[in-house]
Amino acid sequence: SQKIEQNSEALNIQEGKTATLTCNYTNYSPAYLQWYRQDPGRGPVFLLLIRENEKEKRKERLKVTFDTTLKQSLFHITASQPADSATYLCALDPRLLGDAGNMLTFGGGTRLMVKP
Amino acid sequence: NAGVTQTPKFQVLKTGQSMTLQCAQDMNHNSMYWYRQDPGMGLRLIYYSASEGTTDKGEVPNGYNVSRLNKREFSLRLESAAPSQTSVYFCASSVEPRGQTQYFGPGTRLLVL
Repeated sequence: SQKIEQNSEALNIQEGKTATLTCNYTNYSPAYLQWYRQDPGRGPVFLLLIRENEKEKRKERLKVTFDTTLKQSLFHITASQPADSATYLCALDPRLLGDAGNMLTFGGGTRLMVKP
Repeated sequence: NAGVTQTPKFQVLKTGQSMTLQCAQDMNHNSMYWYRQDPGMGLRLIYYSASEGTTDKGEVPNGYNVSRLNKREFSLRLESAAPSQTSVYFCASSVEPRGQTQYFGPGTRLLVL
């Protein structure tokens, strides 16, 4: 079956350090991969989209890598700040449009806590 | 622009009661979605509408119905609520169904007793 895994345990880091979050998947052949941020009590907010033929994407302090051989994406926040504390979700956009299983599918998210 | 709006924000139902969750977007998006989010389960797609006039089942459609009223509005109906439907419900929209950013509403917290 198709599966997306994100570390369910919270990631605690010190302010100023680089946070690295992992998204692993099995039995997918995604055309795109997206990362979203979700604050408590609010809906997810889009951060970055990376395509299957892109190895890396950057936006300000954020960097996403996408390794289709390892079936893994890494999400980095450099010079982290307490305001970066949130849950981060990865989502796969499968290659084929078709039945319900082939729509954008989300991982369970990883909670990041940045301590001052 | 308000983006994606949802009503109500919070609702308590008794088992067997029915209700409709409302969603509207003002971004002229073609595609709209309903998700539920449960602890440890992530976001799961209930139903989606790739374009006005079409609706399709997602991963967990049982116990729900939807209506794409027009391009702006997409409602989710629980005909006979069950405690297993206690969850946070999110509506989202995107320009097209594939390879696009999804914009989410603030969510509806539903408690079924």
